[in-house]
Amino acid sequence: DQQVKQNSPSLSVQEGRISILNCDYTNSMFDYFLWYKKYPAEGPTFLISISSIKDKNEDGRFTVFLNKSAKHLSLHIVPSQPGDSAVYFCAASGNTGNQFYFGTGTSLTVIP
Amino acid sequence: IAGITQAPTSQILAAGRRMTLRCTQDMRHNAMYWYRQDLGLGLRLIHYSNTAGTTGKGEVPDGYSVSRANTDDFPLTLASAVPSQTSVYFCASSEVVTDTQYFGPGTRLTVL
Repeated sequence: DQQVKQNSPSLSVQEGRISILNCDYTNSMFDYFLWYKKYPAEGPTFLISISSIKDKNEDGRFTVFLNKSAKHLSLHIVPSQPGDSAVYFCAASGNTGNQFYFGTGTSLTVIP
Repeated sequence: IAGITQAPTSQILAAGRRMTLRCTQDMRHNAMYWYRQDLGLGLRLIHYSNTAGTTGKGEVPDGYSVSRANTDDFPLTLASAVPSQTSVYFCASSEVVTDTQYFGPGTRLTVL
């Protein structure tokens, strides 16, 4: 059973606008969350993380929001650029676990 | 700094053959992981190693084995490959087991 879900397989956004990628999780023990970005034929690269003691973390154009009560996190990219076109994975882990659980990914296309 | 290297880049393999995917990191990370990426399923953990000399099973360990003789190397072996093991395999490492993971470029394996 998928513990981390990304329900939108794809998203298209105009350059300069905001991209919002969503992620839901089922395990209330998860307390650390990450977003990865993946280009074709490359490995995923770490983008941004957030721990459950915070509800927002910002790094340049990227902001991750965490809503623990809803078991939901989102990644905002503002402004979106064509180079942001990639597959984005969210991942979650709990402090008693040995692994991260990954979502199925959302393919973002930023249209110039 | 190379980070994580994987070999081979890609491989076509006949069913029933034995195959070892190689992974080497130069970051002196304690933890290492093997994932497979399949369309619609995201990244799924096969095996992990918290530190040299120890290994553990992830979500989908059947048909795979690993060893961790030293800090840098974490080979993944398919003893008798089957077509369902056709996938893209990613090796990753992290400083400690629940820390941010850094991924290699992947190995694309096709089992016929």
